[in-house]
Amino acid sequence: GAGVSQSPSNKVTEKGKDVELRCDPISGHTALYWYRQSLGQGLEFLIYFQGNSAPDKSGLPSDRFSAERTGGSVSTLTIQRTQQEDSAVYLCASSEQGGANTGELFFGEGSRLTVL
Amino acid sequence: RKEVEQDPGPFNVPEGATVAFNCTYSNSASQSFFWYRQDCRKEPKLLMSVYSSGNEDGRFTAQLNRASQYISLLIRDSKLSDSATYLCVVNRGGGNKLTFGTGTQLKVEL
Repeated sequence: GAGVSQSPSNKVTEKGKDVELRCDPISGHTALYWYRQSLGQGLEFLIYFQGNSAPDKSGLPSDRFSAERTGGSVSTLTIQRTQQEDSAVYLCASSEQGGANTGELFFGEGSRLTVL
Repeated sequence: RKEVEQDPGPFNVPEGATVAFNCTYSNSASQSFFWYRQDCRKEPKLLMSVYSSGNEDGRFTAQLNRASQYISLLIRDSKLSDSATYLCVVNRGGGNKLTFGTGTQLKVEL
């Protein structure tokens, strides 16, 4: 497909376990964003990648969260020692450069994480 | 105070009605404004940008009031398919991230 692809679509884990969430952006999009959406909450910015520049990690809530983007394409968001408050839908989006100025972010369907 | 605030609703309106949502933002340096639509358990999608002069796209009209720091979305002749959550989105200062409101839920009924 031509859209943003995320996996897994659903993940149930036990408190304290590590999880990895994957995002495959639209081909050719240089910008990649991770957001999370908790029940009844707005989208919360986590991290932004643009080309080979240093990522903007200002939204990561704690040092248990990390993300990388290999080869300027696929990105992995890792949450270590998961806590119940990490339960949310993790949304990945990609855009052409300057997407945040044009508003044209293309989101994947998200990875729904449930921490028991 | 949240950076972007919206009335969560729900707004329940009959088909054919006109409905308007407002959204306020706190950062006066905000430069770009958008409305996104999110269907239940789906990803958000860009509905329209909001320009200073106001803009229209079919049944949808978006307006920006910089002095009062709010944006609005007007939907005319509501359709059942308009039922969704409408997210107010702001980019402050041309940065790399969009700040999303919590959304306003619209339910259009027969």
